Amino acid sequence: RKEVEQDPGPFNVPEGATVAFNCTYSNSASQSFFWYRQDCRKEPKLLMSVYSSGNEDGRFTAQLNRASQYISLLIRDSKLSDSATYLCVVNRYGYALNFGKGTSLLVTP
Amino acid sequence: NAGVTQTPKFQVLKTGQSMTLQCAQDMNHEYMSWYRQDPGMGLRLIHYSVGAGITDQGEVPNGYNVSRSTTEDFPLRLLSAAPSQTSVYFCASSYSVQETQYFGPGTRLLVL
Repeated sequence: RKEVEQDPGPFNVPEGATVAFNCTYSNSASQSFFWYRQDCRKEPKLLMSVYSSGNEDGRFTAQLNRASQYISLLIRDSKLSDSATYLCVVNRYGYALNFGKGTSLLVTP
Repeated sequence: NAGVTQTPKFQVLKTGQSMTLQCAQDMNHEYMSWYRQDPGMGLRLIHYSVGAGITDQGEVPNGYNVSRSTTEDFPLRLLSAAPSQTSVYFCASSYSVQETQYFGPGTRLLVL
């Protein structure tokens, strides 16, 4: 079983829609959690860290459920520019980051 | 700050050729790493370094060598290129292994 699993999608949503991605991780010792965004043929970039209490950055909300070992990302009021692949990233202290394969989002007019 | 730079952007090799992918960062990051990204496989860690003079293997190290003689540079060497090494290669750096990683723009490699 992969350490980090994501639904690959693609998720096709209209502009203005709300969309949610989930990610599960297998190692309960994981301590740090992130969402990265990767545009087509570009490098991944940090979208946001995920904190235990949940956190929000504008239209983006990240949640962590340690008991069920999943992380979610909610995007409200989707924009065309949100079209990208979203990578879930999990880390244990002293180990390299573990990347999920990504969830593809396409926002259509 | 230039951030993380990689050269070349594109490269075509013949099977058996060797080459070095360059990676440099100007953020004084201790941790640097190399990933390859293939369709359907996600990012896979090749090698990483926690500081100058220290390197270690990641998930898929075979066929690749690295060295870290300075904090800034972390070159990746392909010893004898194979078609299976056709991929997009990303270099990344961060203050530590737990921190946000900053990626370079990538090198697209085609091995014929």
